[in-house]
Amino acid sequence: AQSVTQLDSHVSVSEGTPVLLRCNYSSSYSPSLFWYVQHPNKGLQLLLKYTSAATLVKGINGFEAEFKKSETSFHLTKPSAHMSDAAEYFCVVSGTGGFKTIFGAGTRLFVKA
Amino acid sequence: NAGVTQTPKFQVLKTGQSMTLQCAQDMNHEYMSWYRQDPGMGLRLIHYSVGAGITDQGEVPNGYNVSRSTTEDFPLRLLSAAPSQTSVYFCASKGGETEAFFGQGTRLTVV
Repeated sequence: AQSVTQLDSHVSVSEGTPVLLRCNYSSSYSPSLFWYVQHPNKGLQLLLKYTSAATLVKGINGFEAEFKKSETSFHLTKPSAHMSDAAEYFCVVSGTGGFKTIFGAGTRLFVKA
Repeated sequence: NAGVTQTPKFQVLKTGQSMTLQCAQDMNHEYMSWYRQDPGMGLRLIHYSVGAGITDQGEVPNGYNVSRSTTEDFPLRLLSAAPSQTSVYFCASKGGETEAFFGQGTRLTVV
């Protein structure tokens, strides 16, 4: 069985400061892991994905995430927040074969000027 | 390449009415799924399919039916709508290890 826990429902940062959105996963198989972003009243956009290659994954808009098997974590980071990063972020897991994709509950990121 | 197409974008139903949300993909993906999105709960899996003729229940299947007669189409049926089914619905398709591709969503209100 697979599950995803996003450890913070809301995160607030100041513009120009680092962003850390935390995600822990559980999977019976070698997982594929993803981060998606959703801006208000918009659809879902893929930020980055991990599929058993490099453990440090770089995505769009300066985001990156590190897969840590020992900690079952896949935290999303960005060195410097921008106002346009304000959105909801979802950590997502798929099992071996890539099917049955499960979402975390989401973390809403607020960016203060 | 249209990707994943969902229709309609908006719908208002009365309690007890039935309707079908349409989803079509043109990427020849085996895996398709339906999610509902509610505030603070992320996207919850309703039903999914790993190929034509094969469907299975997700986390919140009650009140919804699906079928998969072709690779391209995966409709979601509400047989008797209830206010608790007011939500935003997303269809997704996926090919093996790739990421899921999502439709633009259907905002459904049941009054």
